[in-house]
Amino acid sequence: QLQLVESGGGVVQAGKSLRLSCAASGFTFSDFGMFWVRQAPGKELEWVALISYDGIKEFYADSVKGRFTISRDNSRNTLHLQMDSLRPDDTAVYYCAKQHSSAGALDHWGQGTLVTVSS
Amino acid sequence: SFDLTQPPSVSVSPGQTARITCSGDALSKQYAHWYQQRPGQAPILIIYKDTERPSGIPERFSGSSSGTTVTLTISGVQAEDEADYYCQSADGFNTYVFGTGTKVTVL
Repeated sequence: QLQLVESGGGVVQAGKSLRLSCAASGFTFSDFGMFWVRQAPGKELEWVALISYDGIKEFYADSVKGRFTISRDNSRNTLHLQMDSLRPDDTAVYYCAKQHSSAGALDHWGQGTLVTVSS
Repeated sequence: SFDLTQPPSVSVSPGQTARITCSGDALSKQYAHWYQQRPGQAPILIIYKDTERPSGIPERFSGSSSGTTVTLTISGVQAEDEADYYCQSADGFNTYVFGTGTKVTVL
């Protein structure tokens, strides 16, 4: 059964860093692009980053470009999001999600991990 | 970047049909996908590539596309369909956007 489990969330002060992880199982992780998506409290979904199946290509939303870094370890079936220079408006639930095999859709999602940035 | 606009809310009685639109210039060239998000839960993909339904998604969910607008239709709405619904697309340059979201209320 396909499973994505996020970890690493918590409360952090503005300007500090945090690293999120997503453990994947139940599918061939190295075959699929992977996403991070976030959702601020009471707000809509916001795409954060995408990494290609082989980790060579990375793409970011303008709101996080230069501050966040997406990476993956295909030998350990793990996705990461390094978040630096955090701001209060980065407060959100962060989801990892798997890319659909034939479309730019996100076909499986984790349950999310909450990041709270205090000022 | 680009925008995808949805109505904030749709109300429907059980057994009736709900239609949720998503509008944006990019939709004339790019596929749209739809997600259901129940309170406190992660989103679930319910329609991809405008009209395709993943396995396990009930047939009452369907999608259509015309020009710069895509539509999610829920036929024979059930109480369990009460949720937030989001459209999503990409601009062809690996920039992804979600719609503003629509809250479906089952009366």
